[in-house]
Amino acid sequence: DQQVKQNSPSLSVQEGRISILNCDYTNSMFDYFLWYKKYPAEGPTFLISISSIKDKNEDGRFTVFLNKSAKHLSLHIVPSQPGDSAVYFCAAGIGDSWGKLQFGAGTQVVVTP
Amino acid sequence: GAGVSQSPSNKVTEKGKDVELRCDPISGHTALYWYRQSLGQGLEFLIYFQGNSAPDKSGLPSDRFSAERTGGSVSTLTIQRTQQEDSAVYLCASSPLGGGLYGYTFGSGTRLTVV
Repeated sequence: DQQVKQNSPSLSVQEGRISILNCDYTNSMFDYFLWYKKYPAEGPTFLISISSIKDKNEDGRFTVFLNKSAKHLSLHIVPSQPGDSAVYFCAAGIGDSWGKLQFGAGTQVVVTP
Repeated sequence: GAGVSQSPSNKVTEKGKDVELRCDPISGHTALYWYRQSLGQGLEFLIYFQGNSAPDKSGLPSDRFSAERTGGSVSTLTIQRTQQEDSAVYLCASSPLGGGLYGYTFGSGTRLTVV
């Protein structure tokens, strides 16, 4: 069963605006979450993570928000840049699973001029 | 090397043949993972190696799939009697210890097409 879901397969946003990517999960045992970014013909690259004991983590233009009661997290990119056009994957893990992750299906982001 | 290296980058094989996919992790990374991404799907966990511990094989989809890691470094994923549903991009990743909040580094993948 799909424990991590990204319900929006694609997102188009204008350069300079905010991109908001959403992710829902079903397993309350997950205690950390990550976002990966993937360009065509390349492997995913780690972007940002958050522990379940926090509700926000910020790194430059990227902020991840976690709402544990709703089992929902989001990634905000502000401001969006053309180089941000990529597929973004949400992933979740359990602390004692030694890094094994459950991934969502991804959201294709297109940043237009 | 500087990153995770996978070979071949592309592989086309006939149904029923065996294939071997290779992963060379970042030097010093003790954890190594195999995932695959089928068309339009997210990444699916296959197998995980951590140091000298027994690997976590819980994601392997059938007994046609196996993997080994020699000397705690290079790993080979073997698919026997390939089927068309095995067509996917096979991704290898490595990390120091267990990854976790610090993520892990993926290779560029091997695109396997079974015809």
